[in-house]
Formats: sequence, structure tokens, C-alpha cells
Amino acid sequence: DAMVIQNPRYQVTQFGKPVTLSCSQTLNHNVMYWYQQKSSQAPKLLFHYYDKDFNNEADTPDNFQSRRPNTSFCFLDIRSPGLGDAAMYLCATSSGNNQPQHFGDGTRLSIL
Amino acid sequence: RKEVEQDPGPFNVPEGATVAFNCTYSNSASQSFFWYRQDCRKEPKLLMSVYSSGNEDGRFTAQLNRASQYISLLIRDSKLSDSATYLCVVNVKAAGNKLTFGGGTRVLVKP
Repeated sequence: DAMVIQNPRYQVTQFGKPVTLSCSQTLNHNVMYWYQQKSSQAPKLLFHYYDKDFNNEADTPDNFQSRRPNTSFCFLDIRSPGLGDAAMYLCATSSGNNQPQHFGDGTRLSIL
Repeated sequence: RKEVEQDPGPFNVPEGATVAFNCTYSNSASQSFFWYRQDCRKEPKLLMSVYSSGNEDGRFTAQLNRASQYISLLIRDSKLSDSATYLCVVNVKAAGNKLTFGGGTRVLVKP
């Protein structure tokens, strides 16, 4: 059974048109993460939540926002997608410090 | 210098052979270490955690060398299904809940 679920698996949007990606978890983990991964590169952390405490990476563009309305759900909002934002977006969870992260299947975002 | 470095490969491995590769980390305060496996266009999946005394899971053996600041992964009796990118992942205490990923080592097992 999937424990970290991302929807949709594939998302196509137009240049500049806002898009929201969703992630849910059944693990009841405190920490949720959003990563961007481009071809042949390591996942790049965008931000993470420890419970409701939001932690943004210094180099995450303002174009990327996140919401975590409750423990189970976390959303990634891209306000004005550019061609350079085409990537795989990965959601992950963990139970805290020193613990491994568990990834969802990812959402592959294409920009037209 | 990158925080976590890996040889990108590819390591071309005959089926049934043994392959080993390392990952170096720069921060001596690193405290947790993991190997993840990532198939093409899929999400990373935890392969194994790496413990100070070294640990084994079936055909996979992980070692940690704190003095030289590297971890290793050895795969015995390679299967075609072992073809993947192996990501070295490190947690530094000061980084809290964040993990640092290496760029990955690509392994291709061939008949």
C-alpha cells in the first residue's frame, strides 16, 4: 500500500499558468519535504515542514510556495511556471532527525 | 567541494559479478547515512541505512569509515534488476531534518 501519495503522476501546464501539486501520507510523520529533480541530477530540496513549522531553502525561488493544512497533506504551488520549472517533483516524509525519508512516486511536470 | 560526492559511473557489471563503490562526505559532523536506489524516471527508494559497524542486507553490504569520511556499498552476485542509480544520502546534525544527496552512481548490470 502506498504510504506517500502524490497526485497527479503527470501534470502539464502552460507557461505562466499556476499549478498545484499534492502530496498525502498515511505514515503520520512529522516532517514533509518537497524536492525538485531534473534529469541526471540529485533531488534538490525546495522546503520542508516540521509539523506546521515551515523551512524554506535559501535558493528556492519565490515562485514556489507550499501549504500544509494538516499532518497528512502538503501542497506545492507554482505561481507562474517557467520552462525551467519542468522537472520531477518529489514529496517525502520522515519521522524526524536521523531518520530516512520515504518518497512518493513523484509528479512529472511539463510546461508548454 | 560538494558536501557529498559520488563517482557518477556508469559501472558496467557482468551479471553475477561483484561491484563496489564509495561516497565521500565533507562534514565530519555527519551522523546518519543511507543508500537509496533510484530507477530511471522513478522516485528514490531506501535501500539501507548505514551503521557504524557496517551492515548487510542480503547481497548488499554497506560500510562506514568515519576516519576517512566515506561510506561504501557492495553488491554481490549482481542481478540485471540491480541496474539503477544509487544515491548516497547523509544527515548532518546541525541540518536538523534535512538530508544531503550525492549525485548518484549509475550501475548497469549486463548479461
